[in-house]
Amino acid sequence: DIQLTQSPSTLSASVGDRVFITCRASQTINSCLAWYQQKTGKAPKLLIYKASTLESGVPSRFSGSGSGTEFTLTISSLQPDDFGTYYCQQCKSYPITFGPGTRLEIK
Amino acid sequence: EVQLVESGGGLVQPGGSLRLSCTASRFTFSDHYMDWVRQTPGKGLEWVGRIRKKTNSYTTEYAASLKGRVTISRDDSQNSLYLEVNSLQTEDTAVYYCARVSNDYVLDYWGQGTLVTVSA
Repeated sequence: DIQLTQSPSTLSASVGDRVFITCRASQTINSCLAWYQQKTGKAPKLLIYKASTLESGVPSRFSGSGSGTEFTLTISSLQPDDFGTYYCQQCKSYPITFGPGTRLEIK
Repeated sequence: EVQLVESGGGLVQPGGSLRLSCTASRFTFSDHYMDWVRQTPGKGLEWVGRIRKKTNSYTTEYAASLKGRVTISRDDSQNSLYLEVNSLQTEDTAVYYCARVSNDYVLDYWGQGTLVTVSA
């Protein structure tokens, strides 16, 4: 199975900050990586797929980069609505796996 | 807007079985693979399995941790997806989500989830 790790596990940042979340895969997954945002009590929401493609309707302050085994989700200017937990997910091989999540708190 | 609505959750005794349903609307259900994902209270996301579409013979993939206890099926005529889990354990307590698989093999739409509690 492909294991995904995320760092940091928790992040506290201020409105306007530039935020980085990293996802590392245990083996190469090319660009088969997605990022999701989840708020408490809600279903995850797709933000980014193919490592760097922005899902329709997602604000342009979100961006993704990376390939192979290391990936980054960047929020260019943090907004109050961006709090929540962020998960990466690999789609390279079965079983599909998710990272453990990064909890983003707004200071 | 795509809509996915899960149903069938509730309290189940250990050793029992459950069958969850997911009703899809506002998209061509038969054109998409579909997934089940679960989330234990306060924890992360765990992929349960996938069912492909008719042109891929409705083949399935399952998480190893659940293999042998889980069956995913679909009825395209009813725009419905199903999940059956047998021999339920307390560790199966979770919110179960159905999700649509996009052409890029990511989960682009999710249902609101249905809570399954396994307890005596």
